[in-house]
Amino acid sequence: QVLLVQSGAEVKKPGASVRLSCKTSGNNVNNYYIFWVRQAPGQGLEWVGMINPSGTYTTYAQKFQGRVTLTRDSPTTVVYMELSSLKSGDTAVYFCASEYGPTSFWGQGTQVTVSS
Amino acid sequence: QSALTQPASVSGSPGQSITISCTGTSNDVGAYNYVSWYQQHPGKAPKLMICDVRRRPSGVSNRFSGSKSANTASLTISGLQSEDEADYYCSSYTGSNTYVFGTGTRVTVL
Repeated sequence: QVLLVQSGAEVKKPGASVRLSCKTSGNNVNNYYIFWVRQAPGQGLEWVGMINPSGTYTTYAQKFQGRVTLTRDSPTTVVYMELSSLKSGDTAVYFCASEYGPTSFWGQGTQVTVSS
Repeated sequence: QSALTQPASVSGSPGQSITISCTGTSNDVGAYNYVSWYQQHPGKAPKLMICDVRRRPSGVSNRFSGSKSANTASLTISGLQSEDEADYYCSSYTGSNTYVFGTGTRVTVL
């Protein structure tokens, strides 16, 4: 069993950056890839990116290349997602999740609001 | 990478079967047997219902089944129940450790 607990809601101004955290705990949590998904109000799911267990390899959706950075602090088992140059279209709920075959764990989601 | 195409809505009466399609390309759905389906109720995190095209996680009802033909994957819900009313999303591996979601389908139980 893996538990993912995300940080609290954020309100940011356009052009700013935001860093969200995803605290992982449970059996073999350091063996899991972690990925991030976002969902704008009333919209569908959007895949953002993924980080490997050791934090040495990341992949990002082309749309977010250059604006998003995923990092992982293995000792504290916390995964971070930083999104820069925020715009109103980045207003969304951001989820962290981990899957390995049929096992799937999701965080509770973090609301990010971008508003002047 | 463009989102996979799903119908905006599908409805059915209790006990009926419905099928949701998920159309991609030969670079995603057609190229890999890594299609997943998620159920999402309002205000909740998505729940994995099917992975690897047709594999059902432990605890998911056998009323849910997945399949794939060429560039289109499908999720079938048989014996439709009121609790199945939710949004459903497909997802596919696109290569180079990246994924893409579908546009989402609202399932309504009449």
